[in-house]
Amino acid sequence: YEVTQPRSVSVSPGQTASISCSGHKLGDKYVSWYQQRPGQSPVLVIFQDVKRPSGIPERFSGSNSGNTATLTISETQAMDEGDYYCQAWDTTPNWVFGGGTTLTVL
Amino acid sequence: EVQLVESGGGLKEPGGSLRLSCTASGLSLSNSAVNWVRQAPGKGLKWVASISITGTNEDYADSVKGRFTISRDTSDNIIYLQMTSLRADDTALYYCAKSRRAPDAFDLWGRGTMVTVSS
Repeated sequence: YEVTQPRSVSVSPGQTASISCSGHKLGDKYVSWYQQRPGQSPVLVIFQDVKRPSGIPERFSGSNSGNTATLTISETQAMDEGDYYCQAWDTTPNWVFGGGTTLTVL
Repeated sequence: EVQLVESGGGLKEPGGSLRLSCTASGLSLSNSAVNWVRQAPGKGLKWVASISITGTNEDYADSVKGRFTISRDTSDNIIYLQMTSLRADDTALYYCAKSRRAPDAFDLWGRGTMVTVSS
């Protein structure tokens, strides 16, 4: 099973960024999203498609339907720059990560 | 502070072996599935292996099946990754990551330990 993300997304400060993750019948699976700032470890920002862990700003939201999951970041700030990975579970392989999307705030 | 700390990485020749450790502090891993995820230099995240709460179930990516073994020492709150028959394409930063209780996501990651396989 594979999930596909765009290589890069650019957004202006204060605008809304959307990052997609595509896979066959992805809407039937739970999707998680991770933020990885340069030189740092990944951090969970969305789980079960739409839920935010404690400490993650409300600006981060998620959706998942059909073949596409989307991470939306509203009022984007410079600190949101980094790589974002979607993740889904399937029988083989067990856990699947997307290739990652580099978010640039310019 | 709640954290996972990986150790054991280093430089190894192809065909060599290495054992990575993931030590938890400020939390118990006895109620969590735990995973290893790797990231080759400049590349994305790749799942490597998972072990269940009880340690009875293990899963591996095809690329490491038969060469890597994940295990857990509940008494010492440590997860291991025994790596054998190392190849150049195993070169990566190896992260330990704890699963949520569900387990549907990885909610705590360590800082990683670097493994370099080269002659």
